[in-house]
Amino acid sequence: GDSVTQMEGPVTLSEEACLTINCTYTATGYPSLFWYVQYPGEGLQLLLKATKADDKGSNKGFEATYRKETTSFHLEKGSVQVSDSAVYFCALYRDDKIIFGKGTRLHILP
Amino acid sequence: GAGVSQSPRYKVAKRGQDVALRCDPISGHVSLFWYQQALGQGPEFLTYFQNEAQLDKSGLPSDRFFAERPEGSVSTLKIQRTQQEDSAVYLCASSYWTGTDFSYEQYFGPGTRLTVT
Repeated sequence: GDSVTQMEGPVTLSEEACLTINCTYTATGYPSLFWYVQYPGEGLQLLLKATKADDKGSNKGFEATYRKETTSFHLEKGSVQVSDSAVYFCALYRDDKIIFGKGTRLHILP
Repeated sequence: GAGVSQSPRYKVAKRGQDVALRCDPISGHVSLFWYQQALGQGPEFLTYFQNEAQLDKSGLPSDRFFAERPEGSVSTLKIQRTQQEDSAVYLCASSYWTGTDFSYEQYFGPGTRLTVT
């Protein structure tokens, strides 16, 4: 069945460092892909999305490109802030359901 | 506007007790979803409603789990004879009809943390 694999955390970075969180997927066809974020004490929020191959999703300085050749959707940010500390989930959309990866906890140090 | 709300936020149950978890979706949202999130894991799909119709319950782990949405708005997830492995955060999400299709964007509530002792 469909699945999502993302890098394990926690990931700890200093403020203004570059971020990459790797995500690969296994699926038939080309499902829509997402990154969700869960800030401390808050519910899951959609961070960005890409609905077809080569699409780039972006929001709040984060970007991810849908790469069908490598079945990947890596999350990147050029300069992270303390407020980016959260858990990030890569996910795909299939038959009205969202299939999530296990999540990557990100700590940003001031 | 108001988001998805869930109650209670925390529930402690003794093994063998029945529990009921409530979800209030965003007003007007047609679709409602339940997910289970174990500690350190991503959410996993349990079941899905369009209005009052339960269209998919393939993720419910056992027949002890039951969900309903009788009037197409509020939903209740019931777990009978709780077991320790039921300890998790239960997330509810809702989404809307775009006019031509159902949106893939799901809006999540804060979750109910269930601890079975």
